[in-house]
Amino acid sequence: DAKTTQPDSMESTEGETVHLPCSHATISGNEYIYWYRQVPLQGPEYVTHGLQQNTTNSMAFLAIASDRKSSTLILPHVSLRDAAVYHCILRVYTGNYKYVFGAGTRLKVIA
Amino acid sequence: DPKIIQKPKYLVAVTGSEKILICEQYLGHNAMYWYRQSAKKPLEFMFSYSYQKLMDNQTASSRFQPQSSKKNHLDLQITALKPDDSATYFCASSQRSSNERLFFGHGTKLSVL
Repeated sequence: DAKTTQPDSMESTEGETVHLPCSHATISGNEYIYWYRQVPLQGPEYVTHGLQQNTTNSMAFLAIASDRKSSTLILPHVSLRDAAVYHCILRVYTGNYKYVFGAGTRLKVIA
Repeated sequence: DPKIIQKPKYLVAVTGSEKILICEQYLGHNAMYWYRQSAKKPLEFMFSYSYQKLMDNQTASSRFQPQSSKKNHLDLQITALKPDDSATYFCASSQRSSNERLFFGHGTKLSVL
């Protein structure tokens, strides 16, 4: 069962900064927060991940709440190519690592 | 230049038949996975393998059997196919570590008639 909650969809205009929220109220201390994105007819693509500290890379900035019960993926200056389903997932350890996907947030980008 | 190759990309099968989905990864990873995505549903974890050994199996049906002939191969055999098996099957791999990332293939879209 997915342990994260995300809005079904969001919409943005090209050039804007998008904040994609994710709630993970039951997160355990050793569970990493991962973000993937998926466009039609392709497999998910890694975006970023973190444990406690905020992280940044060429694709996005991940802001993790101090209590770790929520996180926000920040996409600066979105383009049409950023339109995708964004999955916020937890890497769960049950003797082995497992990534449990939810439905994700469908991000629509308007020109 | 895809580093995870899934074959075929599209597959049509008749009910009751058997098919094998192929997955090869050229990332040097030591763990491989199968996920399934049915229409308008989230990705569903099926299996994970590490060093060619089954680590986790979340598939209720024994009709789904992973097969690992080489370290970088993890095929998926599906027997007695049913229309409900229609889905896109994604293979993934990772190098096991605390900071690992999953890399996914493009998927095999299976349609069972």
